[in-house]
Amino acid sequence: GENVEQHPSTLSVQEGDSAVIKCTYSDSASNYFPWYKQELGKRPQLIIDIRSNVGEKKDQRIAVTLNKTAKHFSLHITETQPEDSAVYFCAARRALNFGKGTSLLVTP
Amino acid sequence: NAGVTQTPKFQVLKTGQSMTLQCAQDMNHEYMSWYRQDPGMGLRLIHYSVGAGITDQGEVPNGYNVSRSTTEDFPLRLLSAAPSQTSVYFCASSYSNHEQYFGPGTRLTVT
Repeated sequence: GENVEQHPSTLSVQEGDSAVIKCTYSDSASNYFPWYKQELGKRPQLIIDIRSNVGEKKDQRIAVTLNKTAKHFSLHITETQPEDSAVYFCAARRALNFGKGTSLLVTP
Repeated sequence: NAGVTQTPKFQVLKTGQSMTLQCAQDMNHEYMSWYRQDPGMGLRLIHYSVGAGITDQGEVPNGYNVSRSTTEDFPLRLLSAAPSQTSVYFCASSYSNHEQYFGPGTRLTVT
């Protein structure tokens, strides 16, 4: 099955700094790569996704980059704010297999 | 649209008891999945379905059964509950290779 590795498991940044979370996957047939945000006690919700026919996608302060050759994709959050504090998950293989998550803490 | 609904929200079971977690969606999604979430372990896929009548195992299927008799419903059965099954369970639905919509979750404790 698909193996999705996510790093780091925890990330602490100062408000206004950038945060980068990386995922690698094993199945070269994967062609859809979503990122989810899960706030404490809530369900995961999609924040951005990318398909294999593009290398980068942006939505305001968040962006995702994809390197299909190296089989990795990354989430970039710029100008972080305290409300960005949450657990972030990447997924691959028809978006069914998730990484173990990154707990992001943004301190004022 | 109600989206993805799950019942119950909370459940306490004794070891050896059985129960069914209910999941329903009203978006006509072909894919439905069950995950369990434990601290530090992320979202682990238990079982999934790509359409009515079709189910497959995920990463951690042991101790769980599923069936998909309709597009809308995807119940998860615990045959004989064990303390190791204490977890938060999420059901999700999607079109193939698209965003998954998650239910609100069921917090299960097995004593």
